[in-house]
Amino acid sequence: DVKVTQSSRYLVKRTGEKVFLECVQDMDHENMFWYRQDPGLGLRLIYFSYDVKMKEKGDIPEGYSVSREKKERFSLILESASTNQTSMYLCASIISGGGYNEQFFGPGTRLTVL
Amino acid sequence: AQTVTQSQPEMSVQEAETVTLSCTYDTSESDYYLFWYKQPPSRQMILVIRQEAYKQQNATENRFSVNFQKAAKSFSLKISDSQLGDAAMYFCAYRTIQGAQKLVFGQGTRLTINP
Repeated sequence: DVKVTQSSRYLVKRTGEKVFLECVQDMDHENMFWYRQDPGLGLRLIYFSYDVKMKEKGDIPEGYSVSREKKERFSLILESASTNQTSMYLCASIISGGGYNEQFFGPGTRLTVL
Repeated sequence: AQTVTQSQPEMSVQEAETVTLSCTYDTSESDYYLFWYKQPPSRQMILVIRQEAYKQQNATENRFSVNFQKAAKSFSLKISDSQLGDAAMYFCAYRTIQGAQKLVFGQGTRLTINP
């Protein structure tokens, strides 16, 4: 089974802190994604990566950056956390090559910024 | 840009009954993929069912089936014989055939199953 894991289920940080959210997948997937989930808004794409050291902005990249130094690991970085970044963050991965493939999701990290 | 709309923030159904969740989308593409994902409370998001736009036949997976109306850009999910374990947030999602395999999600529908 594909497994996507995230470093924390719950995280509480203070305004202005630098925050790292880690995601690891164990199925050698090329493509990885970070989404933000908010009530009434669904999931919105923050950043994605289609290869090591490659990244592209999604729909809401402001205030975030990402890092992908190894194929299995994709990190989301909040350079200076703000209260409006309080949210659920979901990581996902998928094999490359298009087609009918499904994205596999991690359990999510619920981040609270005080 | 593509958009996905789920107009029902919440739905409820009696156990063993049938419920239909609505989803509409907007795109100028002729080929694409559509998905329904389920997010149980405090649990991981999982794929329920998927549909290729160029296939006219509606997808089915056991108790789950879709009504895909391409011209109307509608992709509803029908759950038959609802079970308590079906209680979850359900998300409709769109993915383009070409390019990055990112998903565009709807707002979600929270489904409650009444015993």
